[in-house]
Amino acid sequence: TQLLEQSPQFLSIQEGENLTVYCNSSSVFSSLQWYRQEPGEGPVLLVTVVTGGEVKKLKRLTFQFGDARKDSSLHITAAQPGDTGLYLCAGKSTGNQFYFGTGTSLTVIP
Amino acid sequence: SAVISQKPSRDICQRGTSLTIQCQVDSQVTMMFWYRQQPGQSLTLIATANQGSEATYESGFVIDKFPISRPNLTFSTLTVSNMSPEDSSIYLCSGDRGTDTQYFGPGTRLTVL
Repeated sequence: TQLLEQSPQFLSIQEGENLTVYCNSSSVFSSLQWYRQEPGEGPVLLVTVVTGGEVKKLKRLTFQFGDARKDSSLHITAAQPGDTGLYLCAGKSTGNQFYFGTGTSLTVIP
Repeated sequence: SAVISQKPSRDICQRGTSLTIQCQVDSQVTMMFWYRQQPGQSLTLIATANQGSEATYESGFVIDKFPISRPNLTFSTLTVSNMSPEDSSIYLCSGDRGTDTQYFGPGTRLTVL
């Protein structure tokens, strides 16, 4: 099992604020995904990053993969209540298994 | 994309019994996985379900406790055997077409009394 640590674990912010979630590991991954999960549902894929240093934008969300492919960050600009959920990073190992991060629970207060 | 369904969606079971969870994908996927998740927490990989052969289990999970079948490219089952209250959790299956994209089912919420 390869450990991915996310920080912060919990985050409660006001609507309109910006935030960054971090995903760190000592292991190298062939790719890294970010998911959002709402209560009673399975995780839903937001983005996949593959290349070290890669930056991807999805509307107000910006994802970055570390140069060494061991870490990643998710930045949300002008957070909205609809962004509330559990954010999970997941690294794909050379054996094609996905190992999930410890999770960040985000609450955006209207 | 792929649509994944799971049955049952939830169940309450007695200690010592077994429950089989079914996972159906609407199209063929290369890989299928089973995860366990405590509410609000992260996912722990139980095993990779391999078509036509024994599943590959992660450390801490064994076939006798969590037997898995995958008879074809769109279906898999996970059995939680000889259950105890510690097995109470959400069990999720996922499918991957080998494109670095996992699609998840909605999960099965299991409570063991």
